[in-house]
Amino acid sequence: DAGVIQSPRHEVTEMGQEVTLRCKPISGHDYLFWYRQTMMRGLELLIYFNNNVPIDDSGMPEDRFSAKMPNASFSTLKIQPSEPRDSAVYFCASSSGHYTGELFFGEGSRLTVL
Amino acid sequence: GENVEQHPSTLSVQEGDSAVIKCTYSDSASNYFPWYKQELGKRPQLIIDIRSNVGEKKDQRIAVTLNKTAKHFSLHITETQPEDSAVYFCAASIKAGANNLFFGTGTRLTVIP
Repeated sequence: DAGVIQSPRHEVTEMGQEVTLRCKPISGHDYLFWYRQTMMRGLELLIYFNNNVPIDDSGMPEDRFSAKMPNASFSTLKIQPSEPRDSAVYFCASSSGHYTGELFFGEGSRLTVL
Repeated sequence: GENVEQHPSTLSVQEGDSAVIKCTYSDSASNYFPWYKQELGKRPQLIIDIRSNVGEKKDQRIAVTLNKTAKHFSLHITETQPEDSAVYFCAASIKAGANNLFFGTGTRLTVIP
């Protein structure tokens, strides 16, 4: 398996624009997580899904953020409208939910909002 | 919710010396404690984990200890090498792999050759 695949790797946009980040989890993993990483706040969980259903979205900063998982192999995180304070690295991770417990992270999407 | 605190935020050691990173957690129901290593510009990757039914686990030069009574756990790296330089994150969870992992804020370890 190629691992968790995220796109784009880098995104530079202007304030007010819509941003869509994409994630393909490892095949067979039934948990998918979206994290945001900043210097100030470290790794923060935004939302996670189990079997494509959102389980906990309490970490989503505000209504400008939304996430979907239309099927087991694809998820999106959308920011609309984007703001400079959204600049961060966004990681997607997946896990099998079994005893091993390991989260497999993607390479991350570095977002810069000007 | 769970609160994980990690110390120190930065740590510099001479090559060959040992490094210790400490974490505390608040939720006594947490029973799974992984450590992730993130090299510069890379993704976090699991390096070792421990569950609440054991007090210590070792894998070559790295070891983790857990004190459930005091609610703290530590990462120990012996005989450090330059390639150990990275940011290390501790985390805690109620259910491994299937629930929210609460991460510490990270420790930037620098191993000086």
